[in-house]
Amino acid sequence: AQSVTQLDSQVPVFEEAPVELRCNYSSSVSVYLFWYVQYPNQGLQLLLKYLSGSTLVKGINGFEAEFNKSQTSFHLRKPSVHISDTAEYFCAVSANFGNEKLTFGTGTRLTIIP
Amino acid sequence: ETGVTQSPTHLIKTRGQQVTLRCSSQSGHNTVSWYQQALGQGPQFIFQYYREEENGRGNFPPRFSGLQFPNYSSELNVNALELDDSALYLCASSGTGGGYTFGSGTRLTVV
Repeated sequence: AQSVTQLDSQVPVFEEAPVELRCNYSSSVSVYLFWYVQYPNQGLQLLLKYLSGSTLVKGINGFEAEFNKSQTSFHLRKPSVHISDTAEYFCAVSANFGNEKLTFGTGTRLTIIP
Repeated sequence: ETGVTQSPTHLIKTRGQQVTLRCSSQSGHNTVSWYQQALGQGPQFIFQYYREEENGRGNFPPRFSGLQFPNYSSELNVNALELDDSALYLCASSGTGGGYTFGSGTRLTVV
């Protein structure tokens, strides 16, 4: 079984400041890790994914995440945020890439302050 | 290449009624998964269909059922609706190349 913990339910950040959204996971098997973004009244959009290889993963909209196996973490970062980054962010884990369920965290609401 | 489309976008039902939600998979995708996202929560896995067969189920009662059709589109049926069934229902499709593509969801309100 897998589980995901997103440590911060809300993160307010000033525009153009850096941000880190934290995610820790638990799994008894090798995992695939994902970050999704959800804008108001919309579905989920994939930001980035870790499947294997380099532990630093780059995604869309200037986001990146680092997989840390020893700390079972997959934190999301962006060096300079914009107003348009205001959204809900979900970390998710899966035991397979496409054929197994995704287990999501409870989400982090990122609010950008002008 | 079309994405995942869900219908309807919103609907309101009365407690005890039945509802059917629909999902058209992304072209080339043969696996469909359904998720329930309650307000302020992360999505919860309901079940998955692969080649018209249920291929995994989450912790949801039997009144949640589904179908997948030969064209890989899918339905989610919920019987005997309860107030707690009010949520955003998300459909995701995936194919042999891996990865999940989500639709925009159906917002169900049970009154």
